[in-house]
Amino acid sequence: AQTVTQSQPEMSVQEAETVTLSCTYDTSENNYYLFWYKQPPSRQMILVIRQEAYKQQNATENRFSVNFQKAAKSFSLKISDSQLGDTAMYFCAFMTNNRKLIWGLGTSLAVNP
Amino acid sequence: NAGVMQNPRHLVRRRGQEARLRCSPMKGHSHVYWYRQLPEEGLKFMVYLQKENIIDESGMPKERFSAEFPKEGPSILRIQQVVRGDSAAYFCASSQTSGGDTQYFGPGTRLTVL
Repeated sequence: AQTVTQSQPEMSVQEAETVTLSCTYDTSENNYYLFWYKQPPSRQMILVIRQEAYKQQNATENRFSVNFQKAAKSFSLKISDSQLGDTAMYFCAFMTNNRKLIWGLGTSLAVNP
Repeated sequence: NAGVMQNPRHLVRRRGQEARLRCSPMKGHSHVYWYRQLPEEGLKFMVYLQKENIIDESGMPKERFSAEFPKEGPSILRIQQVVRGDSAAYFCASSQTSGGDTQYFGPGTRLTVL
């Protein structure tokens, strides 16, 4: 079965500091896609970053970057220079060959002033 | 370019009534996905549709739930004879193509069953 595990239910970080959220997944597929989505208090689901499994280079989007370790099936998200607006629930998701997203249970991140 | 639109944003139904949730994909997107989020949980895939076709409904409960994406108009997720366990947030996403294309999400419809 394909699963996504986020082992940190809650995390907190001081404004301007760096935080890393962990995610591991399990699959027998070789080609797939990984995503981090953010769900702020508004409950809207917002794409943060995506990674193609066939790419060795880690994806980066401004202050957000990933550490993708394919052999270890690990896909962590690093947020640099944390801002108050980063406070949200963060979900790791894995896209299967049949296009459905498999989701972790989320990590609740609080950025403290 | 407008994003994915869902309506209503909040829907209250009594047990036994029907719920209809609507989703208009982003302009140029022909693939629609429905997900359900129960309280304090991640999202669960329900169904994947293209225009006039259901591609994958493996996550849809066998009874009371149905989905469509007609040639014209929004995609509809229909829940008949709702029960309290149907209370959840229902998210629609759309993508331009299939494959590994990113899915963009609407704001969700929060269904409460009294």
